[in-house]
Amino acid sequence: GDSVTQMEGPVTLSEEAFLTINCTYTATGYPSLFWYVQYPGEGLQLLLKATKADDKGSNKGFEATYRKETTSFHLEKGSVQVSDSAVYFCAPGDNDMRFGAGTRLTVKP
Amino acid sequence: NAGVTQTPKFRILKIGQSMTLQCTQDMNHNYMYWYRQDPGMGLKLIYYSVGAGITDKGEVPNGYNVSRSTTEDFPLRLELAAPSQTSVYFCASSYFKGGRVNTEAFFGQGTRLTVV
Repeated sequence: GDSVTQMEGPVTLSEEAFLTINCTYTATGYPSLFWYVQYPGEGLQLLLKATKADDKGSNKGFEATYRKETTSFHLEKGSVQVSDSAVYFCAPGDNDMRFGAGTRLTVKP
Repeated sequence: NAGVTQTPKFRILKIGQSMTLQCTQDMNHNYMYWYRQDPGMGLKLIYYSVGAGITDKGEVPNGYNVSRSTTEDFPLRLELAAPSQTSVYFCASSYFKGGRVNTEAFFGQGTRLTVV
């Protein structure tokens, strides 16, 4: 099935710093791609998605572009906040939806 | 708007005991999944189902069983609990439209299981 390789971290940033979390995928064709976020003590929730190549997903200041030439879906945010501290997961939308290892982000004031 | 509901939220089991983790969704999703998340780790897929009556193994199926008799329900069964099964279990569902287009997954709040 499809799979992703995700930068593992942990990542520690100061508030207002720029964030990039790398995610590359291996797939047959071009599946939908997703970024999920998990806040402490909670389940995962969708952060953003892209359903086809060259799509850009965005939400809450986060962005990711589905780039088929580099098979990547990197997550970016221009200015992180303390409230962005969480674990971020990349995943392909395949039958057996297997997640990357997750990247723990800590943002310090 | 219930979404994905898991019960129980917490459970302590003794080694060798059995239990069923319940999962139900009210969004008419065809795909359902069970994951486990060990402390500080990512999610590992245990089993998944692409529709009622159809289930398949994921990455870590040993020690677990599932069934999918209805679209809504996808229970996970632990037959002989072992300390290695101490984890947080998440159920999720999504709608697969065909081709390579899948909606996002919706997750339950998790079941924290401790085996002692």
